[in-house]
Amino acid sequence: DAKTTQPPSMDCAEGRAANLPCNHSTISGNEYVYWYRQIHSQGPQYIIHGLKNNETNEMASLIITEDRKSSTLILPHATLRDTAVYYCIVRSGGSNYKLTFGKGTLLTVNP
Amino acid sequence: DADVTQTPRNRITKTGKRIMLECSQTKGHDRMYWYRQDPGLGLRLIYYSFDVKDINKGEISDGYSVSRQAQAKFSLSLESAIPNQTALYFCATSDRSTGANTGELFFGEGSRLTVL
Repeated sequence: DAKTTQPPSMDCAEGRAANLPCNHSTISGNEYVYWYRQIHSQGPQYIIHGLKNNETNEMASLIITEDRKSSTLILPHATLRDTAVYYCIVRSGGSNYKLTFGKGTLLTVNP
Repeated sequence: DADVTQTPRNRITKTGKRIMLECSQTKGHDRMYWYRQDPGLGLRLIYYSFDVKDINKGEISDGYSVSRQAQAKFSLSLESAIPNQTALYFCATSDRSTGANTGELFFGEGSRLTVL
């Protein structure tokens, strides 16, 4: 599976959009981009995933560049409860896969 | 009740003791995973199982063993615990990935293990 690179930490003001970048320059054609987050020491929580197209759900939007070498997770209106570690993960397609978590980005939402 | 339940939630043990962490799920998923988390290191995969008869080593399986007793149960054992196995352990499940399936992992609440 392709490796990912994320900044170790970011800050965001409450109510503003949080844009979390992820570099996955070695991604191959059948690999998906997944985002999870972990609040304090809770189990990680799935946010969103995509292959080529941009995706949006009730939690966030995922923007994948045309060359698929990077992506951005967007939390449109960050709240204090969005303070967490955000993990960008690339996984292969197919039904047998495993997710490898890196160190992620600690997003701190400030009042 | 949680869909993915881990027991115990907290455990303190001594070096050399055998310890078992248990995971049970009510989601009906066929895939189960054990991860370990150390401060500042993210989550690392210990073992994973795609079904009852399929068990695979992850990144850091040395010093650990697993048992998939049933589709709903996946146990992690430390045969002889050592202090550097002190960590937060997570169990996770997922369904077989299909076109409509996100393939997301569902995590338990974690088991904090301290080895003295």
